[in-house]
Amino acid sequence: DAKTTQPPSMDCAEGRAANLPCNHSTISGNEYVYWYRQIHSQGPQYIIHGLKNNETNEMASLIITEDRKSSTLILPHATLRDTAVYYCIVRASYNFNKFYFGSGTKLNVKP
Amino acid sequence: DVKVTQSSRYLVKRTGEKVFLECVQDMDHENMFWYRQDPGLGLRLIYFSYDVKMKEKGDIPEGYSVSREKKERFSLILESASTNQTSMYLCASSLQSYEQYFGPGTRLTVT
Repeated sequence: DAKTTQPPSMDCAEGRAANLPCNHSTISGNEYVYWYRQIHSQGPQYIIHGLKNNETNEMASLIITEDRKSSTLILPHATLRDTAVYYCIVRASYNFNKFYFGSGTKLNVKP
Repeated sequence: DVKVTQSSRYLVKRTGEKVFLECVQDMDHENMFWYRQDPGLGLRLIYFSYDVKMKEKGDIPEGYSVSREKKERFSLILESASTNQTSMYLCASSLQSYEQYFGPGTRLTVT
């Protein structure tokens, strides 16, 4: 599975959009991009995933560049409850047991 | 919504005790997983199961065993707890090769 690189931390003002970048320059054609988040002392929570097209759900939007070497998770209106560690994971669809969580990005949403 | 529950949020055990951590999911998922999470090391896969009575070792199975007698339940067993098994233990389940859903975690302290 391809490795990912994320900034260790980011700040965002409450009510503004939070844009979390992820670099996955070695991604291969059959690998999906997944995003999870982990609020302090809780289990990771699935947010969204995509292969090559941009995706949107009730929680967030995922923008994947055309060459698929990087992606951005967008929380359109961040709230204090969005303060968490956000993990970007790249995984081939057939590797159902291979979810490697790296260090992630600690997002601090400030009032 | 997928619900993954774990038997305890906090557990304190003594060195040498046999410890059972229980996980139950209510979405008829085939796959279930046990991870441990330690500061600076991220999540590490201990064992996973892709069917009843089937199990596979993950990346760090030493000192652990598992049991899956029913589809909805996956147990992690520490045969003889040691202090280096003090950790946050996370259970997850997934349908086929799709995203994993995590429980709230059990923080185990071995003294």
